[in-house]
Amino acid sequence: ETGVTQSPTHLIKTRGQQVTLRCSSQSGHNTVSWYQQALGQGPQFIFQYYREEENGRGNFPPRFSGLQFPNYSSELNVNALELDDSALYLCASSLNSQGAGGLDTQYFGPGTRLTVL
Amino acid sequence: GNSVTQMEGPVTLSEEAFLTINCTYTATGYPSLFWYVQYPGEGLQLLLKATKADDKGSNKGFEATYRKETTSFHLEKGSVQVSDSAVYFCALISNFGNEKLTFGTGTRLTIIP
Repeated sequence: ETGVTQSPTHLIKTRGQQVTLRCSSQSGHNTVSWYQQALGQGPQFIFQYYREEENGRGNFPPRFSGLQFPNYSSELNVNALELDDSALYLCASSLNSQGAGGLDTQYFGPGTRLTVL
Repeated sequence: GNSVTQMEGPVTLSEEAFLTINCTYTATGYPSLFWYVQYPGEGLQLLLKATKADDKGSNKGFEATYRKETTSFHLEKGSVQVSDSAVYFCALISNFGNEKLTFGTGTRLTIIP
């Protein structure tokens, strides 16, 4: 069974640039959630995708957007990068077997550390 | 809204000491509760979970019991090892609203030989 993988591992961008982060979900999982973890903080929910549709969004501006593909992998895109976007971005996958509203365990990837200069 | 409050850190213990990290929560409905662990430079690993009141989650010598009456999910281990040094996060998912995990701020644990 393949776990959750993320790429790249590290990324350095400058303010105003755009970035795309990628996530491959665990085999058999149909749901991907993205979280932002600032240094010394707990992860904050960005959004979730279930069967290629957005299934909930946290308190993040529209310049944070995402996609989920038919193979359930996912991308997180951030436009117009700001210094405060520097963080560890975590992807988590789960098997939502009950449709929207299930409480399935989320398994995390190693994260992508984004630095905005 | 949902929230998780964790014991302030950092926590430093000697090897073989008893560990407790307190966690309390506020949530609508009947949440599932989780402890995740983060080792330096890594992502989050699921340590244990409990899905209903009075359930006890356990793994690698760690335990936590879902206490609905006190809205708590304290993490315990009888004898810690140096390899347990990490940041521990308490989290919940509620069955109301979308499927997001709500995390506490984390507790950094350091075990000294």
